[in-house]
Amino acid sequence: GESVGLHLPTLSVQEGDNSIINCAYSNSASDYFIWYKQESGKGPQFIIDIRSNMDKRQGQRVTVLLNKTVKHLSLQIAATQPGDSAVYFCAENYQAGTALIFGKGTTLSVSS
Amino acid sequence: GAVVSQHPSWVICKSGTSVKIECRSLDFQATTMFWYRQFPKQSLMLMATSNEGSKATYEQGVEKDKFLINHASLTLSTLTVTSAHPEDSSFYICSAKGGLAGGREQFFGPGTRLTVL
Repeated sequence: GESVGLHLPTLSVQEGDNSIINCAYSNSASDYFIWYKQESGKGPQFIIDIRSNMDKRQGQRVTVLLNKTVKHLSLQIAATQPGDSAVYFCAENYQAGTALIFGKGTTLSVSS
Repeated sequence: GAVVSQHPSWVICKSGTSVKIECRSLDFQATTMFWYRQFPKQSLMLMATSNEGSKATYEQGVEKDKFLINHASLTLSTLTVTSAHPEDSSFYICSAKGGLAGGREQFFGPGTRLTVL
């Protein structure tokens, strides 16, 4: 079936840098997208979501951009901190009540 | 915020035995819960969708007779791995959908690490 993919498996940045994590989705019917952070041995932690009627949404230090034309999603983290080190997943959903489909994940490594 | 718990957080069992994992929504009612499996350095893969009071819907390739799912109440779903084998060792994560009919957000449990010897 269709699935969400990622451009880069790992990303290494210096503390204080801005990080950009990318995601490509393939289901054009998906209209809800979420970014999750997962630390080792833990469940996914919600970061930010966006609906298809928007192209940008900002949270605290994070911004999600959605480009429906090329089916691309990105997560921007400002002033990346060591505590941001984790695996980041994007997920898509095409209908309320159905499951989320996860991408492969990007490992973000932040060095001091 | 909505909280989902899982029990146990980790379990070690012998090959051939059965293991039950519980998923509970602590402060909301969840008509739908989802079970995922995650192997090391891989993504979450959907196993099944569980609706309260009805049979679970399994994804292609997931054996329903091996992974028994029961969603007997609006706050509890259980996953039983029957006759577990080492290849079933994985991180099992559940999520629960909130009560609003049009709500899209899902809340994830902390996961259960299963190791089959």
